[in-house]
Amino acid sequence: SQQGEEDPQALSIQEGENATMNCSYKTSINNLQWYRQNSGRGLVHLILIRSNEREKHSGRLRVTLDTSKKSSSLLITASRAADTASYFCATDAVRGSARQLTFGSGTQLTVLP
Amino acid sequence: DGGITQSPKYLFRKEGQNVTLSCEQNLNHDAMYWYRQDPGQGLRLIYYSQIVNDFQKGDIAEGYSVSREKKESFPLTVTSAQKNPTAFYLCASSIAGISFFGPGTRLTVL
Repeated sequence: SQQGEEDPQALSIQEGENATMNCSYKTSINNLQWYRQNSGRGLVHLILIRSNEREKHSGRLRVTLDTSKKSSSLLITASRAADTASYFCATDAVRGSARQLTFGSGTQLTVLP
Repeated sequence: DGGITQSPKYLFRKEGQNVTLSCEQNLNHDAMYWYRQDPGQGLRLIYYSQIVNDFQKGDIAEGYSVSREKKESFPLTVTSAQKNPTAFYLCASSIAGISFFGPGTRLTVL
């Protein structure tokens, strides 16, 4: 099941602009993570925000989490052409007997030079 | 792609054949996972293993099988029972809740 749903599905911006992607989910979580995937490659972990945190920064990335609305956002500031990739949110929650990550459908970001 | 390798990168299968995808990690992680990704979609969990000699079905396990005889290795077999196996397959291991992914295997059924 896809617990996380990203919005928008695709985003195209100019280099130097900021990019914002949103993620909504349905159930209680331990944490929420964002991953990046370059075309045809594996995913790379970007940032993790715990359920008791509201905002977290890492370099040009800023993540917010609103557990009351079950939503998160990823902001990439001063975007570069190299940021072109798909971005996925993933919710970490107990399902059955184990903690599992459930991925959203992703946002395809294109940064134009 | 960290310390996780997947092979082959591309795999072609005739209908009715079983094929095995390799996944090896040198990160000393206990937990390993197999995901399937279809074009323009997110990842769906096929199987996962939290420890050697133990594995559990994920959301879409039908038509797939796995083994976990060694900590480093978690091969996935796509059987002929999987009716629509053409997809991109990703293996991952995790520690402290963070997953590390291999480069993927793209399987095409001819």
